[in-house]
Amino acid sequence: QKEVEQNSGPLSVPEGAIASLNCTYSDRVSQSFFWYRQYSGKSPELIMSIYSNGDKEDGRFTAQLNKASQYVSLLIRDSQPSDSATYLCAVNSAGKSTFGDGTTLTVKP
Amino acid sequence: GAGVSQTPSNKVTEKGKYVELRCDPISGHTALYWYRQSLGQGPEFLIYFQGTGAADDSGLPNDRFFAVRPEGSVSTLKIQRTERGDSAVYLCASSLQGGGTGELFFGEGSRLTVL
Repeated sequence: QKEVEQNSGPLSVPEGAIASLNCTYSDRVSQSFFWYRQYSGKSPELIMSIYSNGDKEDGRFTAQLNKASQYVSLLIRDSQPSDSATYLCAVNSAGKSTFGDGTTLTVKP
Repeated sequence: GAGVSQTPSNKVTEKGKYVELRCDPISGHTALYWYRQSLGQGPEFLIYFQGTGAADDSGLPNDRFFAVRPEGSVSTLKIQRTERGDSAVYLCASSLQGGGTGELFFGEGSRLTVL
């Protein structure tokens, strides 16, 4: 079992819809959680960080964390074609960030 | 520039050769990370520096891989006796601080191809 699990997708949503991306992790002592976006051929770019249970909103993005369930999610509202990318979940424990293999999102105009 | 700088952007080498990859982090960032990424996979952790010392090198796959950060800024990842399986994009990232709260800022990567 991988330490950080994500559905590989592809996930396809129409423009304007809500995209929901999920991530589970195995290390219960993980302290901080991140979502990165990676366009094809580019390096990962941080889009959200979350450190405590609950929701955190930033523009069209909402991160949700449930430490009891070891679950992190990312919601993208009003999805745009420019949101088409691979979304990587990362979990940090003692300074080391472990990444999932990402979910590929396609937003269709 | 203000971002993480990695050189070379592309490196093609022959099996058995020695390779060095360089990373210049964002000024003032104390933590520096090396990852490698293969097609269709997420970044795989290699090593993490806090200042000059390796805080966690548990991801280095074997003793052919070594990394240094002698002055707490620029880091070099060194790969001896390269193998075809070493082919990947090697990503460097820096963070303002290490520990559990650091957000990573990535360079554009060094694509290594071992023939």
